[in-house]
Amino acid sequence: SQKIEQNSEALNIQEGKTATLTCNYTNYSPAYLQWYRQDPGRGPVFLLLIRENEKEKRKERLKVTFDTTLKQSLFHITASQPADSATYLCALDMASGTYKYIFGTGTRLKVLA
Amino acid sequence: DADVTQTPRNRITKTGKRIMLECSQTKGHDRMYWYRQDPGLGLRLIYYSFDVKDINKGEISDGYSVSRQAQAKFSLSLESAIPNQTALYFCATSDLKEPKDEQFFGPGTRLTVL
Repeated sequence: SQKIEQNSEALNIQEGKTATLTCNYTNYSPAYLQWYRQDPGRGPVFLLLIRENEKEKRKERLKVTFDTTLKQSLFHITASQPADSATYLCALDMASGTYKYIFGTGTRLKVLA
Repeated sequence: DADVTQTPRNRITKTGKRIMLECSQTKGHDRMYWYRQDPGLGLRLIYYSFDVKDINKGEISDGYSVSRQAQAKFSLSLESAIPNQTALYFCATSDLKEPKDEQFFGPGTRLTVL
């Protein structure tokens, strides 16, 4: 069955460092991969999308990579700030053109001042 | 005003009761989704709709039904609520014409079934 894994352990890092979160998947080949941010008690908010033919995508302090051979995406936040503390979810489309996404369970990031 | 709204925000009900969760959007999007979120299980798709006449089951549709009353409204019903339907429910929308395929989520409904 299709499966997405994100590190369920919380990630604590010091302010100013780079946070790196992983998203691994098995048993399918998504055309798109998205990253969302979710704050406690709120709905997820879209951050970035990367396509299967793109190796890397950047937006301000965020960088996403997509390795379809390893079946892995890495999400980086550079110069992290306490305001970046949240849960980050990856989502992959179930099959190209279906516009249906499977979400990972998320990784909670805490940036320490 | 919020683009995607959900009512109620919190609901406590008893086993066997029928309840409806409502979602409205002002974004003009064709696609609407219902998800539930449980600790350790992440977001799971219950139903989705790509236009008013199109309704599709997601991964976990058993025990749920939906109605797309208009482009802007998508309701989720629990015909006979049971305790394992206690969860945080999210409605989301997306735009057919948007290449990023971004989903916009509502604020969520926290449902407790006793």
